[in-house]
Amino acid sequence: DTEVTQTPKHLVMGMTNKKSLKCEQHMGHRAMYWYKQKAKKPPELMFVYSYEKLSINESVPSRFSPECPNSSLLNLHLHALQPEDSALYLCASSQEAAGFGGQFFGPGTRLTVL
Amino acid sequence: QQQVKQSPQSLIVQKGGISIINCAYENTAFDYFPWYQQFPGKGPALLIAIRPDVSEKKEGRFTISFNKSAKQFSLHIMDSQPGDSATYFCAASISNYQLIWGAGTKLIIKP
Repeated sequence: DTEVTQTPKHLVMGMTNKKSLKCEQHMGHRAMYWYKQKAKKPPELMFVYSYEKLSINESVPSRFSPECPNSSLLNLHLHALQPEDSALYLCASSQEAAGFGGQFFGPGTRLTVL
Repeated sequence: QQQVKQSPQSLIVQKGGISIINCAYENTAFDYFPWYQQFPGKGPALLIAIRPDVSEKKEGRFTISFNKSAKQFSLHIMDSQPGDSATYFCAASISNYQLIWGAGTKLIIKP
């Protein structure tokens, strides 16, 4: 299995809602990532988990809360988002660090905050 | 010094032609240079990658040329096809988790 899957594909939420994005990989990768991508821009790194531990948090607002329940799963919990948080949220995984074998991305969740 | 500069911003190539996208970097500690292809509404897909100890890597119609002294690398797409129309991102890494991305190139292949 060489895929990273993400659910849901689309999500519309109000500013007071709580929702979660889910990501799964079965490639045995030990690093998993959350990115945010705005239209016509490259992905922006949000969080990195290495061996199920949070290793990088790129000064992301606390309304985004990551969770890594096990080595195959990654969640992103969303609460009290702002309209400017509307974007494509991408999950990725890699065997170890980005320098070895590359990062493999899921199809993303298109998030709209009303 | 952490930047990766990508050009052109957009590119139109006739079917069958060669598409060339260029990237330049400053940080000589970068040691991994991937290219990603992204179709609208999809996640980026790793296309091809190179380490600085080689000057060229070819996979099918896609070739990376790497010039260590000039701190530049480029993607060549031979015999470009309409299905290659996408946004292409170069990136660089210092063997850690963080990819430094170029701004992207929107490629359109005209039939």
